[in-house]
Amino acid sequence: DAKTTQPTSMDCAEGRAANLPCNHSTISGNEYVYWYRQIHSQGPQYIIHGLKNNETNEMASLIITEDRKSSTLILPHATLRDTAVYYCIVSPGGTSYGKLTFGQGTILTVHP
Amino acid sequence: EAEVAQSPRYKITEKSQAVAFWCDPISGHATLYWYRQILGQGPELLVQFQDESVVDDSQLPKDRFSAERLKGVDSTLKIQPAELGDSAMYLCASSSWIAGIQETQYFGPGTRLLVL
Repeated sequence: DAKTTQPTSMDCAEGRAANLPCNHSTISGNEYVYWYRQIHSQGPQYIIHGLKNNETNEMASLIITEDRKSSTLILPHATLRDTAVYYCIVSPGGTSYGKLTFGQGTILTVHP
Repeated sequence: EAEVAQSPRYKITEKSQAVAFWCDPISGHATLYWYRQILGQGPELLVQFQDESVVDDSQLPKDRFSAERLKGVDSTLKIQPAELGDSAMYLCASSSWIAGIQETQYFGPGTRLLVL
């Protein structure tokens, strides 16, 4: 499985955009980029995923570079409830049995 | 919104005792996963089922851990005997297959185990 590199921690002011980077330079052509987050003492929550194109849903936007070696998760208007550990994961999707290999993630702290 | 159910939410046991965790995946989800999360680390896959069959149990400590999904719906993860190092959060996740494509994994709230 391809590995990802994320900053250990980040801070963001409430109401501002939070931009969380992820490097995945060894990603394979059939591997998707997934983002999950985990609020303290809860199970991981799915946020968004993508293969090549940028994606947006009600929670966030995912920007993937053209060479697919890095991506950025954008929370457009961060709130205190967005404080969590954010995991960037690459995993085979499609017809493969895609297990998720979690790293350490980024601890995002949103402050007033 | 459908959710993955897990019970119990918390379990305290003494070492050498047996413990069991239960998971009920989202209805219709054929793939079920058990993960273990040690405090301060990301979740690690223990076992993956496709319907009632094990697809991947390479990281399951088979001398003390067992998992089953007899009817391809709910699942039980057992530890016997429990050791101090088994203290962790045990997470269940499930996903569906649509037109031969595996969909996103959704996680339950987890069972937090403390072994004394």
